[in-house]
Amino acid sequence: EAGVTQFPSHSVIEKGQTVTLRCDPISGHDNLYWYRRVMGKEIKFLLHFVKESKQDESGMPNNRFLAERTGGTYSTLKVQPAELEDSGVYFCASSQEGVVGNGYTFGSGTRLTVV
Amino acid sequence: GDSVTQMEGPVTLSEEAFLTINCTYTATGYPSLFWYVQYPGEGLQLLLKATKADDKGSNKGFEATYRKETTSFHLEKGSVQVSDSAVYFCALSHNDYKLSFGAGTTVTVRA
Repeated sequence: EAGVTQFPSHSVIEKGQTVTLRCDPISGHDNLYWYRRVMGKEIKFLLHFVKESKQDESGMPNNRFLAERTGGTYSTLKVQPAELEDSGVYFCASSQEGVVGNGYTFGSGTRLTVV
Repeated sequence: GDSVTQMEGPVTLSEEAFLTINCTYTATGYPSLFWYVQYPGEGLQLLLKATKADDKGSNKGFEATYRKETTSFHLEKGSVQVSDSAVYFCALSHNDYKLSFGAGTTVTVRA
């Protein structure tokens, strides 16, 4: 079974540019989550999709961040325009049930550096 | 709101040394507690978990006991190997879809 795939693995962009991160969940997983770890601090929840619907986007930092999951398969997280404080590692996870547990699987993350 | 505090790293050890990483939490109710590990170049992996007070989670020689009286979930391993070098994250969940993580502790084990 393929795991959660994220790409790119690394991205370096200039302040003010736009970046789009992609996450491919495990096939059949209706639940998809985005998290972020900024500057070696704690990993923070950003949002939760069930299929194509946003169930909880309470962790999204501001309106420069836009997450989509068209068709309920892969998801994208767009940052526009990027700011220096957006640098960090963005993790995606997916699960079949909407509960943290053994089936809650993370990707290896996208390291975003804004210069 | 919920919060998880874990000891700051980095931690550097010699092979076969004893490892302990402290983790305390603040939360309402009775959350489930987790330790996740991120090996170099890989994603976060669930290492172990405990769902109620006094439960002990264990895996790959690591153990942690859910201590409600001290709101702690310290991770221990009696004899570390070079392959245990990784970033370790303590986390909690209220048995729903969301995890609250600590800041992570980087562990390096030297041969």
